[in-house]
Formats: sequence, structure tokens, C-alpha cells
Amino acid sequence: GQNIDQPTEMTATEGAIVQINCTYQTSGFNGLFWYQQHAGEAPTFLSYNVLDGLEEKGRFSSFLSRSKGYSYLLLKELQMKDSASYLCAVVRSGNTPLVFGKGTRLSVIA
Amino acid sequence: GAGVSQTPSNKVTEKGKYVELRCDPISGHTALYWYRQSLGQGPEFLIYFQGTGAADDSGLPNDRFFAVRPEGSVSTLKIQRTERGDSAVYLCASSLLGGGPTDTQYFGPGTRLTVL
Repeated sequence: GQNIDQPTEMTATEGAIVQINCTYQTSGFNGLFWYQQHAGEAPTFLSYNVLDGLEEKGRFSSFLSRSKGYSYLLLKELQMKDSASYLCAVVRSGNTPLVFGKGTRLSVIA
Repeated sequence: GAGVSQTPSNKVTEKGKYVELRCDPISGHTALYWYRQSLGQGPEFLIYFQGTGAADDSGLPNDRFFAVRPEGSVSTLKIQRTERGDSAVYLCASSLLGGGPTDTQYFGPGTRLTVL
């Protein structure tokens, strides 16, 4: 089976840094996506990793370790608008759909 | 269009009824995906189209669920004899090529289906 684990909920303070972890065990791996989903809205693409290492994009960075089956999303200088669910998703091979984790609901407080 | 659109945004129906959910992908995108998302869960794959044909329908839960994409653009997800357990948000996504891992999927706002 496919297993993707993320913490259910996290809380962080405005202006701080937060790291959302994701571990995966899948039959095949061909990349990992992070999506942001505000309540009642569509998931929106944040990042994609297929090679080990850190990908930085503004306030958001994503890290991947294929040998450990592990990724994290790092959010810096948190803003209230970052309160959302963050979804980790794996693509197992070239023509397969995404396998999603349950998502991490992040609450940013003042 | 500018993004993926889905209609209706909300659908309330009674147990046993038939429903159709529509998805308009981004213009030019050849791949189209349907997912289902229950409260507090991540999206769960249902079916994937490459052009007009269903490339993978392994996620459809049973034969009450069916989807078509007759002209390779708009898709309709059809649910027969709806059950209360079908209540969820049905998400549609499209991607340009549908073949590679860097082919990002862009999601529509979803249709919230409630079966009473």
C-alpha cells in the first residue's frame, strides 16, 4: 500500500518559522509535491522535489531525502494568510496520479 | 479559461438519486484528473484521462461511479444511486501533458456533494 504521513495540526506565531514534515512509503517514487489549501478552496501548487536537497522559493522552501523517505516544507516570516492546510503528495511513476497525505492544518496566531 | 472550473459548486441530493458533476480544464491541458476529498483528509484519486480516454480508473470505488470526456476537454463525473457515504468535495485537476512527474496538476475549486 501507499503511506504518506504528516502531522494533523500545527500552530505557529506570526513572523516565526515553521517546518512541516512528511514521510512516505510508496511503491515507486518519482517526485514529491507540496500544495497549499485554504478552507473551502482548491489546492494550489507550492513546490516540487525529485532530487535530494533544498528548493527555495521566496518564503517557502522544500527539502527532500529520498533515502529516508522524508520531506519537509519550511515557511519563513509567517503571515496570518499562511493559515491553511498543507498537503504532501507523491507521484509514483511517470503516468500515475498523485497520492496525497491527509494534510497538516497550520494555524498562524498573533 | 484562466483556470480549472467546476460546476455546480454545491449539490444537495437525496439518497438514491443520480448526479452529474462537470469539470472544465485549463485550455490546452491534455490530462484531467478527478479526486474526492472528505473532511480532514487529503484528496483521493478516482480517475485520470489522457485526451478522451480513461488512462487509469482504478480509484473509482464501485460501478456506480463513471466519468466521460468525449471531446478531450470537458469531463463529467456521474454518480448513480447516490449514497450518504458519497458526500464529499469532488475535485478536478488538469495538467499540460499528463505524463511526467514535473507536470504540475492545477486544481479547480471543487463541487461539494451532500447526499441526504
